[in-house]
Amino acid sequence: SQQGEEDPQALSIQEGENATMNCSYKTSINNLQWYRQNSGRGLVHLILIRSNEREKHSGRLRVTLDTSKKSSSLLITASRAADTASYFCATRDDKIIFGKGTRLHILP
Amino acid sequence: DGGITQSPKYLFRKEGQNVTLSCEQNLNHDAMYWYRQDPGQGLRLIYYSQIVNDFQKGDIAEGYSVSREKKESFPLTVTSAQKNPTAFYLCASSIATRQLRTFFGQGTRLTVV
Repeated sequence: SQQGEEDPQALSIQEGENATMNCSYKTSINNLQWYRQNSGRGLVHLILIRSNEREKHSGRLRVTLDTSKKSSSLLITASRAADTASYFCATRDDKIIFGKGTRLHILP
Repeated sequence: DGGITQSPKYLFRKEGQNVTLSCEQNLNHDAMYWYRQDPGQGLRLIYYSQIVNDFQKGDIAEGYSVSREKKESFPLTVTSAQKNPTAFYLCASSIATRQLRTFFGQGTRLTVV
């Protein structure tokens, strides 16, 4: 049973452009987290947004949360080649539940 | 350095054999998790543990077993009952199950030959 569903499944953009990924979830949450995974590696925590927050920034990352629509978005501004990775949203109760991820490819 | 260590990085197993994947953390975290990831897919929860000597099944526990005898260790055994064990396995930990940030190991890629 997967809680989060990312959209799109794959995204290719030119270096320097902004990348936007979306996540929808099913049940009420306390917080939502975004993670990045480079190919064949573990996941790295990027940012967490609490249910009472609507927007949060961290460097080139901007996350929004709309609890009425049960959705979140991750915006990466001024993309770089190093941003090529898979991005997952995750929600948690007693366990962390991940979506299937968005595979982001930054074209040179 | 503090963190989670998974070993080995690559593991090959013959059909019908059990194999144990190691996960050790020195972060003093109470909660630990095992996930399975298939190519191009998300993470599916196998087992999780909130405290020493306690663990719960996740969504795909069949064919797997775990133990939590020590706080820092949460080994996963892939048994011969697991029909399709070839996958990438990720271990994770957090301070407590409802806590915020979760830390991941670098994964073990298991291949059945």
